[in-house]
This record gives sequence, structure tokens and C-alpha cells, in this order.
Amino acid sequence: EPEVTQTPSHQVTQMGQEVILRCVPISNHLYFYWYRQILGQKVEFLVSFYNNEISEKSEIFDDQFSVERPDGSNFTLKIRSTKLEDSAMYFCASSGGRGSYNSPLHFGNGTRLTVT
Amino acid sequence: GNSVTQMEGPVTLSEEAFLTINCTYTATGYPSLFWYVQYPGEGLQLLLKATKADDKGSNKGFEATYRKETTSFHLEKGSVQVSDSAVYFCALSDGQNFVFGPGTRLSVLP
Repeated sequence: EPEVTQTPSHQVTQMGQEVILRCVPISNHLYFYWYRQILGQKVEFLVSFYNNEISEKSEIFDDQFSVERPDGSNFTLKIRSTKLEDSAMYFCASSGGRGSYNSPLHFGNGTRLTVT
Repeated sequence: GNSVTQMEGPVTLSEEAFLTINCTYTATGYPSLFWYVQYPGEGLQLLLKATKADDKGSNKGFEATYRKETTSFHLEKGSVQVSDSAVYFCALSDGQNFVFGPGTRLSVLP
């Protein structure tokens, strides 16, 4: 079964540095998402992406964050000038093959970001 | 806006006990409803779903029925196993926007 893959599985960075989290969504999916989860707590929505642009973003997703689909397969989340409170698990998800409606999200296994 | 509420955890059960995790939602229109499971150190996996009222989603012995009249989607399993220990998330979708509940941690003891 096709799956969403995320790299790296764990990223350690110093406060103030920039990080890029990478995701390869399921190939025929059209909708892409980033979520984060702090210390096994609530899953928080960050941003959704469709047709090469952001379709919705949360209050968390401020100017520090950006997303990009640089080619036909990758979907990246960039965090500029990381802060300690950015430490979390970041999950990529995709959904919505052509002709689908209310199709479920398929999640990657996440990238654990640790900011020191 | 749309929202999902789940029973507070953690829930601790003995093996073979009956499980219920309550979930209620608030939404406009007719959302689809989902249960996701997160095993330790892993991402979220779709457990089951229901797309319209009175639908029953089922998988791996888990069941949940979409109850529009009570705006609920409670998760049940007749006999839990140690391997069911995980965090369970109720979620809804109104099309392409998903909202997750806070999660309920289940621990099953042998």
C-alpha cells in the first residue's frame, strides 16, 4: 500500500537555525498537510496545500513557517529561526486522489524536531 | 467552527475488557468521521471511518457508528488486547479540512 514518507526521522538543531522537513506524499494525492504534536499531546493543524498554493493555515503558521512543493513529488516545511518551543513531532499528511471526497488523511511517521 | 471532543484519558483496562471511548462533534453540514490510532513512536494510522449518518465503521474488532441525532461517534471494542495500547484520536472532515480531538490514551494490562 502506498504511504507517505518523511525525512529525516529526527532533526536536532540549535535555536535560531533554519530547518527543512521533507515529505513525499502519496503519488496520486492532491491535498497536502502539515500537523505538529508536542510531547504526545494534541495534534495541531499547521497548513494545508492544494494546487500549488496554501489553502488554509492556522494561527501557529506565522511568518516563521513556509511550505513548498519544489517538484512533482516532494512537499517541504521550512522553519526559519527556530525557537525552543518549536520542538515537536511534525507530521505530513496527504489525501484526495482524483474523484474522491472526504477521503481520509494518510500520515507519515513524522519528524521529531529538537531545538536546543 | 467545527470541533471534536473526546473523553479524557488515560483509560486503563485489563485484557479482554470492553472498551468505549466517547467522541462528540460540532459541525455544520454533514462531515465525515474518523478514528485514528497512534502507537508509541509512530504516526497516526486510520483505524476506521464513516461518511454518513447511521454508517458503521469497523476494523480490527473496533467499531463506531455515526449518530447524527446525538452528534457522536463512539469507539468500541468487545475484547481489548495488550497490543491495542495506543492513543486514539477522533476526527472529522467537512471536505478537505480535518479537525482532531485531543486524543485518548489507552493502556491495556495483561
